[in-house]
Amino acid sequence: EVQLVESGGGLVQPGGSLRLSCAASGFTFSDHFMDWVRQAPGKGLEWVGRARNKPKRYTTEYAASVKGRFTISRDDSKNSLYLQMNSLKTEDTAVYYCARITSYYDGSDAFDIWGQGTMVTVSS
Amino acid sequence: AIQMTQSPSSLSASVGDRVTITCRASQGIRNDLGWYQHKPGKAPKLLIYAASSLESGVPSRFSGSGSGTDFTLTISSLQPEDFATYYCLQDDNYPLTFGGGTKVEIK
Repeated sequence: EVQLVESGGGLVQPGGSLRLSCAASGFTFSDHFMDWVRQAPGKGLEWVGRARNKPKRYTTEYAASVKGRFTISRDDSKNSLYLQMNSLKTEDTAVYYCARITSYYDGSDAFDIWGQGTMVTVSS
Repeated sequence: AIQMTQSPSSLSASVGDRVTITCRASQGIRNDLGWYQHKPGKAPKLLIYAASSLESGVPSRFSGSGSGTDFTLTISSLQPEDFATYYCLQDDNYPLTFGGGTKVEIK
């Protein structure tokens, strides 16, 4: 079964750090770009960032709201994606989802597999 | 960043109704747009990619159209399991941006 499972969420104080993990199974993880998306309580979905695969030299992209504070990495040997979150703010409180990016025959991309999410609460 | 304006933000409809949701991009994004369904406590689900291509396994009552700046998601005959929040997402330019969402509720 194709699956993504996030872990590592929890309660952290403002200014603190947290590392989220996303474990992939059922597909060739190394073939895919992988993204993080979040949803703050009562709000819509917000793209956080992307980790490309080895052919694209594992390069990354970030939303402006997290750039310089969050770092996305991956370990293809462990079929895992990570989100290192530093200098956390109360506005980072959200459910964090990882998602697989699939490229289709016509060259388009889409987020075709999502995890169930992990909750991060930033509060004193 | 490209702004995605989604409308309406919510709607009430009955089972069997035809429902239309629109997204407008602040600049042209070709057909680099997807539509996602999200239910509380669940993982979001891909419905449509490349503006009009139906994802495998998604019922044919869902359809998408548009190109450039204006896009539409249509549910031809609303079913009980379709009550959810729907989002568009542009992946033409970084940062990727979602529309604000449309909550489809039972009338």
